[in-house]
Amino acid sequence: KAGVTQTPRYLIKTRGQQVTLSCSPISGHRSVSWYQQTPGQGLQFLFEYFSETQRNKGNFPGRFSGRQFSNSRSEMNVSTLELGDSALYLCASSLRGSETQYFGPGTRLLVL
Amino acid sequence: GQSLEQPSEVTAVEGAIVQINCTYQTSGFYGLSWYQQHDGGAPTFLSYNALDGLEETGRFSSFLSRSDSYGYLLLQELQMKDSASYFCAVANRDDKIIFGKGTRLHILP
Repeated sequence: KAGVTQTPRYLIKTRGQQVTLSCSPISGHRSVSWYQQTPGQGLQFLFEYFSETQRNKGNFPGRFSGRQFSNSRSEMNVSTLELGDSALYLCASSLRGSETQYFGPGTRLLVL
Repeated sequence: GQSLEQPSEVTAVEGAIVQINCTYQTSGFYGLSWYQQHDGGAPTFLSYNALDGLEETGRFSSFLSRSDSYGYLLLQELQMKDSASYFCAVANRDDKIIFGKGTRLHILP
């Protein structure tokens, strides 16, 4: 089975721009979660999608949004980028959500 | 609030045993998981405890005490390749996974 894939792997943007990241889960997995990882802050939960619906949301501003398609692929969007948004963005898939998370390689975003 | 506490760093010697502790405070609890992340890599699943007691998987073992809201990861016969960050995580009653901030394990030759 192919693992979780994320595109792009690296991204450089400037303040004020917006960015869209993509995640393809393991085949058959219906839950996709997104995390932001920065040094010293660990993995911060952004949101989780299950069957095209946002089921859970973390404590991030509305500039962070996401969606899930009928094939379970998911995208997250960050608008009006700030320097503090520089981070590794990880997505993880699972069958139903609260069990073992399978992580993708991440997208490393640098905001200048 | 909901939180997980684990040490930020631990240092051990190659061939030795090390224990990484995790205490948690969450609304509801369905299990404690452990993940390993090497520098530049993605977190990978190591173990899961839903019930009290010890789960063993090769050189790695994980323990849970639900009454104490406490668990630990035990790594035996440490190898240099075990140098990584280790995260504990819990699933709460909202089906949300909450991760600790991670423990950086340094292994000395």
